Amino acid sequence: AQSVTQLGSHVSVSEGALVLLRCNYSSSVPPYLFWYVQYPNQGLQLLLKYTSAATLVKGINGFEAEFKKSETSFHLTKPSAHMSDAAEYFCAVRMNYGGSQGNLIFGKGTKLSVKP
Amino acid sequence: NAGVTQTPKFQVLKTGQSMTLQCAQDMNHNSMYWYRQDPGMGLRLIYYSASEGTTDKGEVPNGYNVSRLNKREFSLRLESAAPSQTSVYFCASRWGQGYTDTQYFGPGTRLTVL
Repeated sequence: AQSVTQLGSHVSVSEGALVLLRCNYSSSVPPYLFWYVQYPNQGLQLLLKYTSAATLVKGINGFEAEFKKSETSFHLTKPSAHMSDAAEYFCAVRMNYGGSQGNLIFGKGTKLSVKP
Repeated sequence: NAGVTQTPKFQVLKTGQSMTLQCAQDMNHNSMYWYRQDPGMGLRLIYYSASEGTTDKGEVPNGYNVSRLNKREFSLRLESAAPSQTSVYFCASRWGQGYTDTQYFGPGTRLTVL
């Protein structure tokens, strides 16, 4: 079965510091992986996705993620945090089999706080 | 394009009342989804519709019904609301296959059941 684990329900960084949000996945087939961001009282917005092309994926707002098969990880990073990055971030894996092919399985989310 | 729209934005119900959450998309997508979001639980799939005329249960379907009215609209019905259904509900639609595969989300409906 496919699953996603996000380590750390809350992460706090200072403005200008590195942002690192962790995501590990479980999948018996090559996965499609996604990062979504949710700003307060809004819906989810796609940040970036991995679909078996380049292992380093660049997304919007300066975020990027690296797919590491050996570590079953897809961690999200940003070199320098901005106050506007404060939000909740969700990692998701796409189901690749059966009638539910295409459905997403989400991690529990990581809330990012940015201190001035 | 409005994308994915949901109505209402907020709703308060009493236990036992019924209501229907509406979702529409104008992107000509085949697949549509209903999720609920609870603190610390991420998003959990309630029901989905892979194409017009089909619906299937997701992870947490109990207490809900859905209707795929046409390609644009996918509604979620609570027949007899319970406090455990207090949540934020998101509708999504999906476009593409392979590297273009992406789900697009609506702004959500915040439901409180007293």
